[in-house]
Parts: sequence; C-alpha cells; structure tokens
Amino acid sequence: DAGVIQSPRHEVTEMGQEVTLRCKPISGHDYLFWYRQTMMRGLELLIYFNNNVPIDDSGMPEDRFSAKMPNASFSTLKIQPSEPRDSAVYFCALSSSGRYNEQFFGPGTRLTVL
Amino acid sequence: GENVEQHPSTLSVQEGDSAVIKCTYSDSASNYFPWYKQELGKRPQLIIDIRSNVGEKKDQRIAVTLNKTAKHFSLHITETQPEDSAVYFCAAVGGADGLTFGKGTHLIIQP
Repeated sequence: DAGVIQSPRHEVTEMGQEVTLRCKPISGHDYLFWYRQTMMRGLELLIYFNNNVPIDDSGMPEDRFSAKMPNASFSTLKIQPSEPRDSAVYFCALSSSGRYNEQFFGPGTRLTVL
Repeated sequence: GENVEQHPSTLSVQEGDSAVIKCTYSDSASNYFPWYKQELGKRPQLIIDIRSNVGEKKDQRIAVTLNKTAKHFSLHITETQPEDSAVYFCAAVGGADGLTFGKGTHLIIQP
C-alpha cells in the first residue's frame, strides 16, 4: 500500500446514509484521480484534481456525489444520500508530472449499500 | 469524450502460447495508451504504456503496438505463464480528460 492510503477498506451502510471515502497520497504527486469499478460498468473516472484543484468532474454520476481536496495530503469522496447502485470498489490514484504518466492506484474501498 | 472498446472480454490460452488483446479508441487527440493488469481483489497496476510518437514498445514478454491512423492498439504477451492470469485493461488519455478504460479482458492461462 505504499504511496496511497485509502480508508476505510470496506464499508457497509444502509440506503440513505452518508458515506465518506478518504484518500491520503504521499508527497510529490500533483494529480489525484477518483475511479469507481463495477462489474457492469468497469473502471470509470469520476473526478480528478491537479494541485488540489478539481479539473474534470464530468464523470461524477449525480449531485449526490461530491469530492474535495483541501490539501495535497488528503482527499475525500462523499455520497449523500447513498443508494444500492452506488455499491462498487472506489479507487484513488496518483500521478506526477502530468496525466500522461503512470497512475498509482490505492488499494481501494469496497462499498456496499444495502 | 473518449470511448475505448476492448476485445475479447475473455481469452483462454495454453501455457506457453501467445495472447493478444485489442483496443480501439475514438478520440484522435488521444496520445497516451497504458495497459493495466488487475489480479483478483487487487488494485490495477501498470504493465506497459505507449505514447503516440512510437508504434511499438517491448518489455521482456510484453509488447504493445499502436496504429494511430486506424486508432487501435494491442497488447501482446508471449510465452504465457500461470501468473499472467488476470484481468487486463487498456486505456487512453487525450485532451482535457483523464484515463478512459476499456471494459477489460479476463485472461486465463490453461496449464
């Protein structure tokens, strides 16, 4: 898990509850990406930040999803209210020196919404 | 935005044989094409990438080819081994977008 810490690793919640997923990158990475992975839709880019500034959030499914990056060491993805169709693995990924370089994925958070 | 198609969805090969996975993309502005390997329950990890200024890149048993005119790129794995069994994703980056992934190929290496 060196490089990217995601918490929690597993989350089970009930429909309607607020869910907050966290990502802690190591220093030196200026791009941070949030992806969602499901069997049906595969890996989808939700939003990405460059130097803590949101650049493209066109992948965010709807207003229930929001993401913040208050500083270079922390980012959150919040779902409020959560729905069963939000069940997925959420990955945070980092890149340095631009988007055209390797992205290092975190271990992911497996979210189950009942 | 970018659209990436990946084929086949499942590929089964005998150990020692070669495996080829193909992807097409829609945005002619895309100029970076990585391939990721994901083992069951693990995170995706980069195995090889290619940029638009080259047509082929090799790394030991793995190679990637790119045809910008036809907008397709392929992953070639030679002398497959059991540890090659995984899901492989192609992706493309271009313009102002982040990575757009293909749907993945489940590669099965038969002993």
